[in-house]
This record gives sequence, C-alpha cells and structure tokens, in this order.
Amino acid sequence: EIVMTQTPLSSPVTPGQPASISCRSSQSLVHSDGNTYLSWLQQRPGQPPRLLIYKISNRLSGVPDRFSGSGAGTDFTLKISRVEAEDVGVYYCMGATQPLWTFGQGTKVEIK
Amino acid sequence: QVQLVQSGAEVKKPGASVKISCKAFGHSITSNYMHWVRQAPGQGLEWMGMIDPRDGSTSYPQKFQARVTLTRDSSTNTIYIDLSSLTSEDTAVYYCARDREAFDVWGQGTMVTVSS
Repeated sequence: EIVMTQTPLSSPVTPGQPASISCRSSQSLVHSDGNTYLSWLQQRPGQPPRLLIYKISNRLSGVPDRFSGSGAGTDFTLKISRVEAEDVGVYYCMGATQPLWTFGQGTKVEIK
Repeated sequence: QVQLVQSGAEVKKPGASVKISCKAFGHSITSNYMHWVRQAPGQGLEWMGMIDPRDGSTSYPQKFQARVTLTRDSSTNTIYIDLSSLTSEDTAVYYCARDREAFDVWGQGTMVTVSS
C-alpha cells in the first residue's frame, strides 16, 4: 500500500511570505498512461476539501496563481508564493496507484 | 451547476450499518469515477473506495473491503456507501467526490456518529 508523507506537518507563515509543503510517496506515481495523478487539496475549517492542483502542476480554474505545484516520480512540492490570510487551513497531497488512492497526513498552514 | 448533495447526519449504535447517499447535479455519475472519503474528528482524509463509471465495478482499500459496499442508481444519478459493523472508530464525516483526473467536486459531507 502506498504511503504519502508530507513535511512539515505545521507551517506558521507571515502574511506576504512564501510557504512550501513537500509530499513524498513510497512508490512512483507514474501511471501506465504516462500521467502522474498527484493532487493538492486545501481544507478550510469546517469545509469540505477543495482541489487546488492536479496532475502535479495544473491549477484548477479559479485557483489563484500564487499556488503552484511541481515534482516528479515520488517527490512533489506545493508552493504558495505570498501567503494571504484566506490561505489558512490544512493542505493535503493525494496520489493514485490505480486503482488505489492515498492521502498525505495534511499540513496545517497558519498565520504567525 | 455541478454539485454533489449528500444525505443528512446519522446516529447509529455499535454493530449497526449506515447507508449514505450522494446525488449528483449538473453531471452524470456514469461519466466519471466517483469516490468516498472520510474524516474522523480532528484527523486527516481517508479514501474508502470508488465506482468505475463504465460498468459500476468497485475498488476498495484492503482496510474496508469486508465492510464497505458502494452502489449507484443511474436513474436517480445517485451513489451510495453502505458501511457495516460500525464501531466508535467509524465516527466521522463522510464525503463523496467526483474524479476527473482528481477529486474536483466534493459533497458537503455527512456526519455519522456511532454511540451506544
């Protein structure tokens, strides 16, 4: 079973400063179709998760461009170029080794 | 508008079963993989299984294979999750989600409380 490991688990950030979250999978997420189904989700308190990034680096329509994703194989990163107050929440990576999906433990982003 | 609307909160006794519905609006459940995810209080997200749009076949992680059944009703554009032999550890918010290469649309969540 694939394991997704996020670091850090908590990230206090000053508004306007960048933030970065790492996600490492225990095995390659490259699918047989050539795609890598690695996504990033944001969950604000009391709300369902919201998709931000899919297939490593594709931003969902409407997601601010301060969010970016990168990586390959087993190592991935979510970056927030300039954190805003509304970015507070828990961020999850999730990956697929078809047909199974797994989430990272979550990284709590909070304002200093 | 594309959305997923789930059934309301449930309170169950240990050993019982619970069945939650997720009705899709603005898209067809037979066009996309559909998933269930749960979140225990204060905890992270846990994938519970999915339904293949082509034939309604299902896949589950090993942890849930014996207790979870996912079904769908194409006539009402609704999917269901049935979880049996409930224990207090099943107390959680349960979400359905649409999969278009990622989980892009989520239901509002259904709280299930297991308590004697």
